[in-house]
This record gives sequence, structure tokens and C-alpha cells, in this order.
Amino acid sequence: SYELTQAPSVSVSPGQTARITCSGDALSKQFGFWYQQKPGQEAPILLIYKDTERPSGVPERYSGSSSGTTVTLTISGVQAADEADYYCQSADISGSYPVFGGGTKLTVL
Amino acid sequence: QVQLVESGGGLVKPGGSLRLSCAASGFTLSDYYMSWIRQAPGKGLEWVAYNSGSGTTIYSAVSVRGRFTISRANALNSLYLQMNDLTAEDTGVYFCARVLGSVGNGVHFDQWGQGTLVTVSS
Repeated sequence: SYELTQAPSVSVSPGQTARITCSGDALSKQFGFWYQQKPGQEAPILLIYKDTERPSGVPERYSGSSSGTTVTLTISGVQAADEADYYCQSADISGSYPVFGGGTKLTVL
Repeated sequence: QVQLVESGGGLVKPGGSLRLSCAASGFTLSDYYMSWIRQAPGKGLEWVAYNSGSGTTIYSAVSVRGRFTISRANALNSLYLQMNDLTAEDTGVYFCARVLGSVGNGVHFDQWGQGTLVTVSS
């Protein structure tokens, strides 16, 4: 089965920049997507699509990039409200079967 | 605005069945693929299944294939998940989500419901 790998946790102080990475072989051929899920298993929110695109309504502080088999979510000027779980998502090599990374818990110190 | 509201969750014994529903509003259901995604307590997101706007094209995760069936009734603006032969590993919150992108090219999920909790326990 296809897997995406994320670090379990990232910590950053308010105002600093947080970078959350996601790696997987199929990312060299498939797009990466990012979701934010606030504590309490609330509905996830789409933050980034097609590696770098931001849906309307998502603050410019959130950005995405891609290089080889890794995609990265960057959060600039981190705020306390950014404390959440962040999941990357892509698909297997055929593109037919979606897969999620294990999630990264962002802690704002 | 787009709204997705799941229902039908609850407590069920191992080996039992449950049917989840998702009521969609604010968009034309038949124009979109739709998906179910689940999350075990304290764990990450796991894609379960999705189907095409007509309901005729279906993709399911290996973990649920042969036990879970996704379907829809566009005239009723509803998506369903029939779950059979449930085990404790199926316990979790089940979200319905609207799919963007196309099969083979960038499938992702732009709108999510709040989820419904399924607990499989004796």
C-alpha cells in the first residue's frame, strides 16, 4: 500500500514560521494537498490544493511548495489559533486511491 | 452555502451492520464525486470510498472492500454508506466530503461534514 510520511509533531513560537513536510514516492507524480483539523475531531479544512494553490478564504500566511517526493506546508507568522493537526493527502501512483499522511500536531509555544 | 450533514452513527455489536447518510445542500449533488472518510479515536484520517456523480463509478479502500458500499440518491440530495460485518477497527468518526479534481489527477476534498460517530463494541 502507498504511504505518506509526516513528522508527528512540530513546535514553534508565536510569530515564527512553521514548516510541515510530507514525503512519499508518488508525490513526484501526484499532487499534494493540505488540511487543517482543530482539536476535538472537527471537520478538516482544505488549506492547499495542487501543491501550491490556496482556496479562497485561506489566509496568505499558509503556503505550499513541492520538490521531488516531498511537499511542504509553510505557516508564516504563526498564531495561537494555528494550533491544530495538519494532514497531507495525495493519491497512489494511479491517482485513483486517495491517501492521507499520519498528521502533524502543531504546537504554538 | 455548501452544507453536509451526516447521520446514522451509533453503537453496534461486532458483526453488525449500520447505514450512514449524508444530507447535501447548497450545490447540485449529481455534479460531484462524493466520498466517505473516517477517523479512529485519536488517530489520523483514512479515506474509505468515493463514487461518481451518477453513482456508477465507485472506488473503495482495501480495508473496507466487500463490507462497505457507497451509494447515493441524487433526487434526495443524499449520500450513503452501508457498513456490514463491522469490527472494532471500524470504530470512529465518519465524515462525508465533496470531491474535487478527477480520478487519476488530483482527487481531493473541499467541503466536509461534521461527522457521525460509529462505535463497534459488544
